[in-house]
Amino acid sequence: SQTIHQWPATLVQPVGSPLSLECTVEGTSNPNLYWYRQAAGRGLQLLFYSIGIDQISSEVPQNLSASRPQDRQFILSSKKLLLSDSGFYLCAWGSGHSGNTIYFGEGSWLTVV
Amino acid sequence: SQQGEEDPQALSIQEGENATMNCSYKTSINNLQWYRQNSGRGLVHLILIRSNEREKHSGRLRVTLDTSKKSSSLLITASRAADTASYFCATDNYGGSQGNLIFGKGTKLSVKP
Repeated sequence: SQTIHQWPATLVQPVGSPLSLECTVEGTSNPNLYWYRQAAGRGLQLLFYSIGIDQISSEVPQNLSASRPQDRQFILSSKKLLLSDSGFYLCAWGSGHSGNTIYFGEGSWLTVV
Repeated sequence: SQQGEEDPQALSIQEGENATMNCSYKTSINNLQWYRQNSGRGLVHLILIRSNEREKHSGRLRVTLDTSKKSSSLLITASRAADTASYFCATDNYGGSQGNLIFGKGTKLSVKP
């Protein structure tokens, strides 16, 4: 069976510091990978998606970047965090086919202070 | 960009009552999905309905889809306190990036024992 792991679960970082959130998927190959952000009480905003190694698409301009160095590893990064980067970050994977279900990790709470 | 919009934003009912949540969307779709999110957790897939289907059941869940009105509803029958969560609809745009889902802002359901 497939599993998705995301860490760290919670993070408190000062403004201007770097960020690295990591996500790995097990039990499947060549998945589509996604990073979503959820602001408090809001819906999910798609930040990045990847259909393969080193293939990253950004949905919104922002202070964040994503990388996919291995087939089942997806990393969300920032060189300098802003207060507005605070939120709940969710990694997810899917088969990439139309009609596919997306499976989410447990999320990472980021508070920028 | 926001595709689905859930209505109401919040719903409070007594255990045993039915809960109905609605979702409207803007563009043509291949399918529509409903997800559930417990507070502070990742999203869990509940049910998928394809654009050529009008109604689908899964346990106590009933989903309808009206493509002419670009709307869907999720009905939870005989609700339980454990159904307390936020519920999101998600669509994949017809002709859009395969596998990418656009989520609404969600309906926060509270079921009181």
